[in-house]
Amino acid sequence: DAGITQSPRHKVTETGTPVTLRCHQTENHRYMYWYRQDPGHGLRLIHYSYGVKDTDKGEVSDGYSVSRSKTEDFLLTLESATSSQTSVYFCAISPTGWGSYNEQFFGPGTRLTVL
Amino acid sequence: AQTVTQSQPEMSVQEAETVTLSCTYDTSESDYYLFWYKQPPSRQMILVIRQEAYKQQNATENRFSVNFQKAAKSFSLKISDSQLGDAAMYFCAYRGGGSQGNLIFGKGTKLSVKP
Repeated sequence: DAGITQSPRHKVTETGTPVTLRCHQTENHRYMYWYRQDPGHGLRLIHYSYGVKDTDKGEVSDGYSVSRSKTEDFLLTLESATSSQTSVYFCAISPTGWGSYNEQFFGPGTRLTVL
Repeated sequence: AQTVTQSQPEMSVQEAETVTLSCTYDTSESDYYLFWYKQPPSRQMILVIRQEAYKQQNATENRFSVNFQKAAKSFSLKISDSQLGDAAMYFCAYRGGGSQGNLIFGKGTKLSVKP
């Protein structure tokens, strides 16, 4: 299994509070992604990173920010959590963004509940 | 924008039988990759099979095979000799040939396997 961990695995928080989710990898892969999974929507891209300090927005980036100061860590921050951000969040990594067999490896997910 | 459609929210199959899950996609790109991911109750995303658009030969991985029809933009997954452990959500995903590398997912099909 690819070395990807996410922390915390579960979190309950209140509306308006800041929340940071962490993704840590031991594979030294260049690309890292944050997705959210909601019933009836599959997984949707929030933000991604193509290198240290290089990030870009995805399909559902409103209300989220990210940072990547080291190759191994990719942080997702909800500056002021809302109930619509209740979801399961997945981190994924891949060695490159293109080319053959560019498999994405997924972390175990974080279930976030915003009350 | 690319889209992925899975028209079967739920499917059921008898153990040892064969089942086919449907997926269609829309794209104007000529270079892309298609994937099927399995998500068991543990929530872990597991890559089942992948197909490169430029390859005419359908991919096969043990009991799993695809029927890739590029002109029809169809990418169905066939599971042969279904086992109880195959029960899961199955997601079809598309990745374009560009450098961003993110996956675009369908909404998923929940597969039940009856003993």
